Amino acid sequence: KAGVTQTPRYLIKTRGQQVTLSCSPISGHRSVSWYQQTPGQGLQFLFEYFSETQRNKGNFPGRFSGRQFSNSRSEMNVSTLELGDSALYLCASSLAAAPRHGYTFGSGTRLTVV
Amino acid sequence: AQSVAQPEDQVNVAEGNPLTVKCTYSVSGNPYLFWYVQYPNRGLQFLLKYITGDNLVKGSYGFEAEFNKSQTSFHLKKPSALVSDSALYFCAVRVLAAKAAGNKLTFGGGTRVLVKP
Repeated sequence: KAGVTQTPRYLIKTRGQQVTLSCSPISGHRSVSWYQQTPGQGLQFLFEYFSETQRNKGNFPGRFSGRQFSNSRSEMNVSTLELGDSALYLCASSLAAAPRHGYTFGSGTRLTVV
Repeated sequence: AQSVAQPEDQVNVAEGNPLTVKCTYSVSGNPYLFWYVQYPNRGLQFLLKYITGDNLVKGSYGFEAEFNKSQTSFHLKKPSALVSDSALYFCAVRVLAAKAAGNKLTFGGGTRVLVKP
């Protein structure tokens, strides 16, 4: 079966712009989580969606937002981009809310803010 | 709050030698523990998980990990390392049955493994 698909793979944006990243989970998976990976801060949790509802949110400013659609696909949006937003953004999907089902990660979107 | 520590930034090992990557955790409650590996410019690839039961967990590519509740550790091991095992390894934890916490994973800082021929 197809894995977690994140688009685009690479993105270059200018400070002040906004960006939307997309994640298509594995078919049948209803939970989608987003993580930011940077060399300085490591892997940090952004938010999690389950059945179109945000269940948990990490410690990020309001410029970071997300949503999940009825087909479980998810998008995250970052407005008013800052240089520090440059990172690898990873999406993870799981079958249900219970973590016993494990998490499958996508290859990520590499965002560079210039 | 939950946290994960990977005390070694880098582990160097010769090919064919045993490989150990250390992980300790701190949670309130029973933990779910995971190991992931990341190759350059790629996402995280699942290796193994501990949910409950046998403390020795066997995973992909010959890796295994031992859950030690008293030492709050979950070290990753491989009896004979390969050059292709060179990558970045992450330990992660979330708390069992903490529904309010959702599906959040807390990651360690990562350990770079370099296996030399």
